[in-house]
Amino acid sequence: ETGVTQTPRHLVMGMTNKKSLKCEQHLGHNAMYWYKQSAKKPLELMFVYSLEERVENNSVPSRFSPECPNSSHLFLHLHTLQPEDSALYLCASSPQTGSGNTIYFGEGSWLTVV
Amino acid sequence: GEDVEQSLFLSVREGDSSVINCTYTDSSSTYLYWYKQEPGAGLQLLTYIFSNMDMKQDQRLTVLLNKKDKHLSLRIADTQTGDSAIYFCAESIRRSFQKLVFGTGTRLLVSP
Repeated sequence: ETGVTQTPRHLVMGMTNKKSLKCEQHLGHNAMYWYKQSAKKPLELMFVYSLEERVENNSVPSRFSPECPNSSHLFLHLHTLQPEDSALYLCASSPQTGSGNTIYFGEGSWLTVV
Repeated sequence: GEDVEQSLFLSVREGDSSVINCTYTDSSSTYLYWYKQEPGAGLQLLTYIFSNMDMKQDQRLTVLLNKKDKHLSLRIADTQTGDSAIYFCAESIRRSFQKLVFGTGTRLLVSP
């Protein structure tokens, strides 16, 4: 139990579907992140939120839409995805966004786009 | 540039020591991390080291940092089968926000 909970753990969706990934952290942190882990590629940072404000969008296609309603919750809304978007999506949090703030990861949501 | 490299695979026998190596490129990195990922799971923080240190020990884990060569290693003493996992090295890039750059991970296989 890392204090960062992701749901669903597994999701299969068609290319025309709209779905959302949810993340909740119970650590009292102010920063939350979405990372993407694809096979044989390093983890890629997608989005960073600090106190509900997005501070980084790492050139992510608009078919991925993040939402951070409060500092404990983070969503990733998915629509018209492509098969190459199939991956493990990891949510993470840290006390603040500055360097040296340890990042804690959730268990991830396995996404398969068919 | 931002690049972290690791060897892909390491195989050891139970009870031996394992050494996982990592090289990074950003000399301004302030913290370096080791994460462990077991099958089907997320990343678990194992340990980290501040860039002004050259060694950190935490129970069976020893982290060595050679800042001149930008080389980081993780030594696991008395490796157990439960240590079998993928180990990721990550460097913290100094930006306005916390950014971790990860290596591709080293798969450690521990055989009985």
